[in-house]
Amino acid sequence: AQTVTQSQPEMSVQEAETVTLSCTYDTSESDYYLFWYKQPPSRQMILVIRQEAYKQQNATENRFSVNFQKAAKSFSLKISDSQLGDAAMYFCAYRRGYSGAGSYQLTFGKGTKLSVIP
Amino acid sequence: DAGVIQSPRHEVTEMGQEVTLRCKPISGHDYLFWYRQTMMRGLELLIYFNNNVPIDDSGMPEDRFSAKMPNASFSTLKIQPSEPRDSAVYFCASSRTSGEGTDTQYFGPGTRLTVL
Repeated sequence: AQTVTQSQPEMSVQEAETVTLSCTYDTSESDYYLFWYKQPPSRQMILVIRQEAYKQQNATENRFSVNFQKAAKSFSLKISDSQLGDAAMYFCAYRRGYSGAGSYQLTFGKGTKLSVIP
Repeated sequence: DAGVIQSPRHEVTEMGQEVTLRCKPISGHDYLFWYRQTMMRGLELLIYFNNNVPIDDSGMPEDRFSAKMPNASFSTLKIQPSEPRDSAVYFCASSRTSGEGTDTQYFGPGTRLTVL
Protein backbone atom coordinates (compact mmCIF):
# COMPACT_ATOMS: atom_id res chain seq x y z
CA ALA A 1 0.00 0.00 0.00
CA GLN A 2 1.13 3.51 -0.69
CA THR A 3 2.02 5.75 2.23
CA VAL A 4 2.71 9.47 2.38
CA THR A 5 4.80 10.95 5.18
CA GLN A 6 5.05 14.58 6.19
CA SER A 7 7.66 14.72 8.91
CA GLN A 8 7.09 18.35 9.94
CA PRO A 9 3.86 18.74 11.92
CA GLU A 10 4.41 22.49 12.19
CA MET A 11 6.55 25.10 10.43
CA SER A 12 6.83 28.85 10.63
CA VAL A 13 8.21 31.45 8.26
CA GLN A 14 8.69 35.19 8.31
CA GLU A 15 6.61 37.15 5.85
CA ALA A 16 8.43 37.58 2.50
CA GLU A 17 10.82 34.75 3.29
CA THR A 18 11.02 31.29 1.72
CA VAL A 19 9.96 28.03 3.34
CA THR A 20 10.15 24.40 2.23
CA LEU A 21 7.72 21.72 3.34
CA SER A 22 8.84 18.10 3.13
CA CYS A 23 6.99 15.05 1.85
CA THR A 24 8.13 11.52 1.20
CA TYR A 25 6.12 8.64 -0.15
CA ASP A 26 6.40 4.94 -0.58
CA THR A 27 5.22 3.18 -3.72
CA SER A 28 6.20 0.36 -6.03
CA GLU A 29 4.50 2.04 -8.98
CA SER A 30 6.38 3.96 -11.66
CA ASP A 31 3.43 5.99 -12.91
CA TYR A 32 1.67 8.26 -10.44
CA TYR A 33 0.66 11.80 -9.56
CA LEU A 34 1.62 13.91 -6.58
CA PHE A 35 -0.25 16.88 -5.21
CA TRP A 36 -0.01 19.59 -2.60
CA TYR A 37 -3.29 20.84 -1.15
CA LYS A 38 -3.73 23.82 1.13
CA GLN A 39 -6.37 23.89 3.88
CA PRO A 40 -6.83 27.34 5.46
CA PRO A 41 -8.95 27.84 8.60
CA SER A 42 -12.03 27.92 6.39
CA ARG A 43 -11.17 24.18 5.91
CA GLN A 44 -11.64 24.34 2.13
CA MET A 45 -9.16 22.00 0.43
CA ILE A 46 -7.43 24.01 -2.28
CA LEU A 47 -5.14 22.51 -4.90
CA VAL A 48 -1.76 24.23 -4.84
CA ILE A 49 0.27 22.25 -7.34
CA ARG A 50 0.45 18.85 -9.05
CA GLN A 51 3.28 16.80 -10.51
CA GLU A 52 3.18 13.87 -12.91
CA ALA A 53 5.83 11.29 -12.08
CA TYR A 54 6.84 10.83 -15.72
CA LYS A 55 7.78 14.51 -16.01
CA GLN A 56 11.32 15.31 -14.93
CA GLN A 57 10.68 19.04 -14.85
CA ASN A 58 9.56 20.32 -11.49
CA ALA A 59 6.11 21.93 -11.46
CA THR A 60 5.74 25.62 -10.60
CA GLU A 61 2.71 27.80 -9.91
CA ASN A 62 3.63 31.43 -9.28
CA ARG A 63 5.30 31.52 -5.83
CA PHE A 64 4.91 27.77 -5.34
CA SER A 65 7.33 25.21 -6.72
CA VAL A 66 8.22 21.63 -6.01
CA ASN A 67 11.44 19.66 -5.81
CA PHE A 68 10.52 16.23 -7.13
CA GLN A 69 13.16 13.58 -6.57
CA LYS A 70 11.70 10.38 -7.99
CA ALA A 71 14.53 8.06 -7.00
CA ALA A 72 14.43 9.34 -3.44
CA LYS A 73 10.61 9.37 -3.43
CA SER A 74 10.65 12.93 -2.20
CA PHE A 75 8.27 15.74 -3.12
CA SER A 76 8.90 18.98 -1.26
CA LEU A 77 6.99 22.24 -1.65
CA LYS A 78 8.79 25.57 -1.71
CA ILE A 79 6.86 28.75 -1.01
CA SER A 80 8.69 31.93 -2.00
CA ASP A 81 7.92 35.43 -0.78
CA SER A 82 5.59 34.05 1.90
CA GLN A 83 2.40 35.99 2.52
CA LEU A 84 0.04 36.06 5.48
CA GLY A 85 -2.55 34.30 3.36
CA ASP A 86 -0.26 31.31 2.99
CA ALA A 87 -0.88 30.35 6.62
CA ALA A 88 -2.70 27.02 6.49
CA MET A 89 -2.40 23.26 6.77
CA TYR A 90 -0.60 21.79 3.78
CA PHE A 91 -1.25 18.22 2.70
CA CYS A 92 0.84 16.14 0.37
CA ALA A 93 -1.13 13.54 -1.59
CA TYR A 94 -0.40 10.61 -3.91
CA ARG A 95 -2.46 8.97 -6.63
CA ARG A 96 -1.65 5.99 -8.81
CA GLY A 97 -1.33 6.79 -12.50
CA TYR A 98 -2.99 3.88 -14.27
CA SER A 99 -6.49 2.58 -14.40
CA GLY A 100 -7.74 -0.11 -12.13
CA ALA A 101 -9.43 -0.56 -8.80
CA GLY A 102 -8.33 2.09 -6.36
CA SER A 103 -6.39 3.96 -8.99
CA TYR A 104 -8.22 7.22 -8.35
CA GLN A 105 -7.86 7.18 -4.60
CA LEU A 106 -5.82 9.99 -3.08
CA THR A 107 -3.57 8.97 -0.20
CA PHE A 108 -2.84 11.94 2.06
CA GLY A 109 -0.08 12.73 4.51
CA LYS A 110 -0.92 13.95 8.01
CA GLY A 111 -0.29 17.56 7.06
CA THR A 112 2.05 20.40 8.02
CA LYS A 113 0.69 23.47 9.76
CA LEU A 114 2.38 26.56 8.37
CA SER A 115 2.37 29.82 10.31
CA VAL A 116 3.44 33.09 8.69
CA ILE A 117 4.95 35.68 11.04
CA PRO A 118 4.36 39.32 10.11
CA ASP B 1 -17.55 27.40 -13.39
CA ALA B 2 -18.93 26.80 -9.93
CA GLY B 3 -16.88 24.51 -7.78
CA VAL B 4 -18.07 21.47 -5.88
CA ILE B 5 -21.08 22.41 -3.77
CA GLN B 6 -21.86 20.75 -0.45
CA SER B 7 -24.75 21.20 1.93
CA PRO B 8 -25.23 21.76 4.73
CA ARG B 9 -22.00 23.45 5.80
CA HIS B 10 -22.68 22.60 9.42
CA GLU B 11 -24.87 19.93 10.93
CA VAL B 12 -25.51 19.32 14.61
CA THR B 13 -27.63 16.35 15.51
CA GLU B 14 -28.30 13.98 18.35
CA MET B 15 -27.15 10.42 18.56
CA GLY B 16 -29.50 8.04 16.79
CA GLN B 17 -30.77 10.56 14.27
CA GLU B 18 -30.43 10.19 10.52
CA VAL B 19 -28.04 12.57 8.79
CA THR B 20 -27.91 13.27 5.06
CA LEU B 21 -25.06 15.14 3.45
CA ARG B 22 -25.36 16.43 -0.09
CA CYS B 23 -22.93 17.12 -2.90
CA LYS B 24 -23.10 18.62 -6.37
CA PRO B 25 -19.93 17.89 -8.38
CA ILE B 26 -18.40 20.17 -10.97
CA SER B 27 -20.29 19.92 -14.25
CA GLY B 28 -18.61 17.52 -16.65
CA HIS B 29 -16.73 15.62 -13.97
CA ASP B 30 -17.28 11.86 -14.09
CA TYR B 31 -15.72 10.87 -10.77
CA LEU B 32 -17.09 11.75 -7.36
CA PHE B 33 -15.41 11.02 -4.01
CA TRP B 34 -16.51 11.20 -0.39
CA TYR B 35 -13.80 11.76 2.25
CA ARG B 36 -13.90 12.10 6.01
CA GLN B 37 -11.42 14.17 8.00
CA THR B 38 -10.74 13.71 11.70
CA MET B 39 -7.87 14.72 13.93
CA MET B 40 -7.07 11.12 14.76
CA ARG B 41 -7.24 9.55 11.31
CA GLY B 42 -6.66 12.47 8.96
CA LEU B 43 -8.31 12.36 5.52
CA GLU B 44 -9.87 9.04 4.62
CA LEU B 45 -11.62 8.01 1.41
CA LEU B 46 -15.04 6.56 2.14
CA ILE B 47 -16.39 5.78 -1.32
CA TYR B 48 -16.09 6.89 -4.90
CA PHE B 49 -18.29 6.81 -7.99
CA ASN B 50 -17.56 6.75 -11.70
CA ASN B 51 -20.39 7.79 -14.01
CA ASN B 52 -22.80 7.52 -11.06
CA VAL B 53 -21.77 3.92 -10.29
CA PRO B 54 -20.10 3.11 -6.97
CA ILE B 55 -16.64 1.71 -7.69
CA ASP B 56 -15.02 1.25 -4.30
CA ASP B 57 -16.83 1.51 -0.97
CA SER B 58 -14.22 -0.31 1.10
CA GLY B 59 -13.64 2.83 3.14
CA MET B 60 -17.21 3.04 4.39
CA PRO B 61 -16.80 2.34 8.10
CA GLU B 62 -20.04 0.54 8.85
CA ASP B 63 -23.42 -0.41 7.46
CA ARG B 64 -24.75 2.72 9.08
CA PHE B 65 -23.12 4.63 6.23
CA SER B 66 -24.58 4.61 2.73
CA ALA B 67 -24.01 6.72 -0.36
CA LYS B 68 -25.94 7.21 -3.57
CA MET B 69 -25.48 9.05 -6.81
CA PRO B 70 -28.82 9.09 -8.64
CA ASN B 71 -27.52 11.31 -11.43
CA ALA B 72 -24.37 13.06 -12.64
CA SER B 73 -25.05 16.22 -10.67
CA PHE B 74 -26.02 14.94 -7.24
CA SER B 75 -24.80 12.59 -4.54
CA THR B 76 -25.76 11.92 -0.93
CA LEU B 77 -23.98 10.39 2.02
CA LYS B 78 -26.34 9.13 4.70
CA ILE B 79 -25.60 8.04 8.24
CA GLN B 80 -28.36 6.16 10.03
CA PRO B 81 -28.29 6.00 12.99
CA SER B 82 -25.62 8.57 13.76
CA GLU B 83 -23.16 8.18 16.65
CA PRO B 84 -20.86 10.68 18.40
CA ARG B 85 -17.80 9.05 16.81
CA ASP B 86 -19.14 10.05 13.40
CA SER B 87 -18.37 13.67 14.23
CA ALA B 88 -15.96 14.88 11.55
CA VAL B 89 -15.67 17.04 8.47
CA TYR B 90 -17.00 15.31 5.39
CA PHE B 91 -15.66 16.36 2.01
CA CYS B 92 -16.96 15.71 -1.45
CA ALA B 93 -14.55 15.95 -4.39
CA SER B 94 -14.86 15.45 -8.13
CA SER B 95 -12.52 14.91 -11.05
CA ARG B 96 -12.59 14.30 -14.77
CA THR B 97 -10.77 11.82 -16.99
CA SER B 98 -10.38 14.07 -20.01
CA GLY B 99 -9.78 17.71 -20.69
CA GLU B 100 -8.26 20.41 -18.55
CA GLY B 101 -7.34 19.40 -15.03
CA THR B 102 -7.64 15.71 -15.79
CA ASP B 103 -7.03 13.46 -12.82
CA THR B 104 -7.02 16.28 -10.30
CA GLN B 105 -9.59 16.11 -7.53
CA TYR B 106 -11.35 19.35 -6.66
CA PHE B 107 -12.87 19.55 -3.21
CA GLY B 108 -16.03 21.10 -1.87
CA PRO B 109 -16.05 23.28 1.27
CA GLY B 110 -16.93 20.34 3.50
CA THR B 111 -19.71 19.64 5.99
CA ARG B 112 -18.81 19.81 9.65
CA LEU B 113 -20.91 17.17 11.41
CA THR B 114 -21.33 17.14 15.16
CA VAL B 115 -23.23 14.27 16.76
CA LEU B 116 -24.14 14.92 20.38
